Amino acid sequence: AQTVTQSQPEMSVQEAETVTLSCTYDTSESDYYLFWYKQPPSRQMILVIRQEAYKQQNATENRFSVNFQKAAKSFSLKISDSQLGDAAMYFCAYRSELGYGGATNKLIFGTGTLLAVQP
Amino acid sequence: SAVISQKPSRDICQRGTSLTIQCQVDSQVTMMFWYRQQPGQSLTLIATANQGSEATYESGFVIDKFPISRPNLTFSTLTVSNMSPEDSSIYLCSVEAVNTEAFFGQGTRLTVV
Repeated sequence: AQTVTQSQPEMSVQEAETVTLSCTYDTSESDYYLFWYKQPPSRQMILVIRQEAYKQQNATENRFSVNFQKAAKSFSLKISDSQLGDAAMYFCAYRSELGYGGATNKLIFGTGTLLAVQP
Repeated sequence: SAVISQKPSRDICQRGTSLTIQCQVDSQVTMMFWYRQQPGQSLTLIATANQGSEATYESGFVIDKFPISRPNLTFSTLTVSNMSPEDSSIYLCSVEAVNTEAFFGQGTRLTVV
């Protein structure tokens, strides 16, 4: 079974600085998707960025980028120019490729990293 | 994208009672998912709701405790039955778009006293 591990329960960053959140995963599959979700106090889950495992190029979305190391099964999130609105719980998530080995397309989440942004 | 309306947003319930949570999507989707997020914890999938068939439950979750309905392609309900304080959690509805992006409802914060 697939697992997702986030080893940093809490992180803190100064406004305008850069922070990196770590995520590792375990799978025997070769095709899958990885995601970072943000959950602010409002509870709304918001997709930050996604990565397809077959793509070697790291995904970027404005100030958010990932470092995807498939061989190492690592998927870290870098937030540049941190803003107060970035403060939230961040979840790393894994999803199998649809239909792979009979797996459903459910998301498997890590335990989350609570990010605080200091003004 | 998909807009999901989830009701109620929060509730406080007496132990032994049941609560039904509704999830309405603004477009037709094949699968809807129900997740539980216990206090300070991550999200765990309860079940996948398929239109026209019984829901598929994850290990540790049973239909008698969490019955699910899926009468059409835009609506689903999750009932938390015979509640105990251990059921106090946030329950989230989710759907998946064709590009595999998942959208979530605002969640229902349930407190059982």
